[in-house]
Amino acid sequence: LAKTTQPISMDSYEGQEVNITCSHNNIATNDYITWYQQFPSQGPRFIIQGYKTKVTNEVASLFIPADRKSSTLSLPRVSLSDTAVYYCLVLYNFNKFYFGSGTKLNVKP
Amino acid sequence: IAGITQAPTSQILAAGRRMTLRCTQDMRHNAMYWYRQDLGLGLRLIHYSNTAGTTGKGEVPDGYSVSRANTDDFPLTLASAVPSQTSVYFCASSEDRVENYNEQFFGPGTRLTVL
Repeated sequence: LAKTTQPISMDSYEGQEVNITCSHNNIATNDYITWYQQFPSQGPRFIIQGYKTKVTNEVASLFIPADRKSSTLSLPRVSLSDTAVYYCLVLYNFNKFYFGSGTKLNVKP
Repeated sequence: IAGITQAPTSQILAAGRRMTLRCTQDMRHNAMYWYRQDLGLGLRLIHYSNTAGTTGKGEVPDGYSVSRANTDDFPLTLASAVPSQTSVYFCASSEDRVENYNEQFFGPGTRLTVL
């Protein structure tokens, strides 16, 4: 059963753009990809959601290639407060959720 | 606005004991979810509910039961706790049904230790 995979961790510096990729090889044509952010001792918080091509909101962009086997969360000009764990979530077959194991982003001064 | 509340915040439980984790939302959301989060494994869905009176199984439902008597409450019960159920449990809700790809709003979590 296909699930999601992400890098375990990433380091960045303040002001840089960060791209985090999630692989979801067997995603169906009508399944959405969602990204969440989680700080220690808190529940995850919604960042962005997309279906295909590109989606942008006030905090991030989401790029989804034509084959939809992966997606990339882009955080422009990160700050120290963006240090968190980032999860991609894919909904398979209408009621099967699979969170990735999360990417721990460490933003350095 | 409270959003989602969970109780207790943390609990240490002897193996074999029964335990109910409480979850209440005040957003009048239709769907609710229970996840467990273990180090290195991300979040895994235990059970979900699309509306009051209906529930469904997620990825890891064994050893857990849920009920949805009304819109606001979605308790999770461990009938006979085992050490492998030591985890952080998150409750979440979304405005629309599970299959409609809604944003989920998460509670603060319950840290459960089973000895």
